Amino acid sequence: DVKVTQSSRYLVKRTGEKVFLECVQDMDHENMFWYRQDPGLGLRLIYFSYDVKMKEKGDIPEGYSVSREKKERFSLILESASTNQTSMYLCASSQDNWATSEKLFFGSGTQLSVL
Amino acid sequence: AQTVTQSQPEMSVQEAETVTLSCTYDTSESDYYLFWYKQPPSRQMILVIRQEAYKQQNATENRFSVNFQKAAKSFSLKISDSQLGDAAMYFCAYGTGTYKYIFGTGTRLKVLA
Repeated sequence: DVKVTQSSRYLVKRTGEKVFLECVQDMDHENMFWYRQDPGLGLRLIYFSYDVKMKEKGDIPEGYSVSREKKERFSLILESASTNQTSMYLCASSQDNWATSEKLFFGSGTQLSVL
Repeated sequence: AQTVTQSQPEMSVQEAETVTLSCTYDTSESDYYLFWYKQPPSRQMILVIRQEAYKQQNATENRFSVNFQKAAKSFSLKISDSQLGDAAMYFCAYGTGTYKYIFGTGTRLKVLA
């Protein structure tokens, strides 16, 4: 089975801090995604990567950046955390390039609180 | 723009009974995919069932089946013989083009013993 591992289950940070959320997948998937999950809003795409060092902005990229130096690892960076970035962050991966017929494999999420 | 709507924020079902979760979507595309994902308290989302829009036959996975009405843009999930382990948040999702997946706001399902 594919495993998508997010480094932290819970994280508490202060406003203005630089925050790194790490995600690793073990099945050589091409695509990796970062979503934000908020009650009543569902999942919203922050960034997407279809290959090493390649990235695309999603629907809500403001205040975030990403890094994909190795195929298995996709990092989400909050340059200067703000309270409105308090949320659940979900990482996902999928196998096939450019095909939304493929199912997504998700990590267990990181609940981030910014105080 | 494509949208996905789940109009039931919360549903309850008695153990062993059947429940249907609703999902509607809006799109001008003819080729797309629809998904139901389950997010249990452990938070790890897993795929429940997938439907290709070009297939008229409704997808089925064991106790889970869908009612796909393409003209009505409706994609409901039926869970038969509900079990306590079915209690979770269920998300309907739409996939088209390249990497674009659009998720609904979710329906929380409670299973009553």
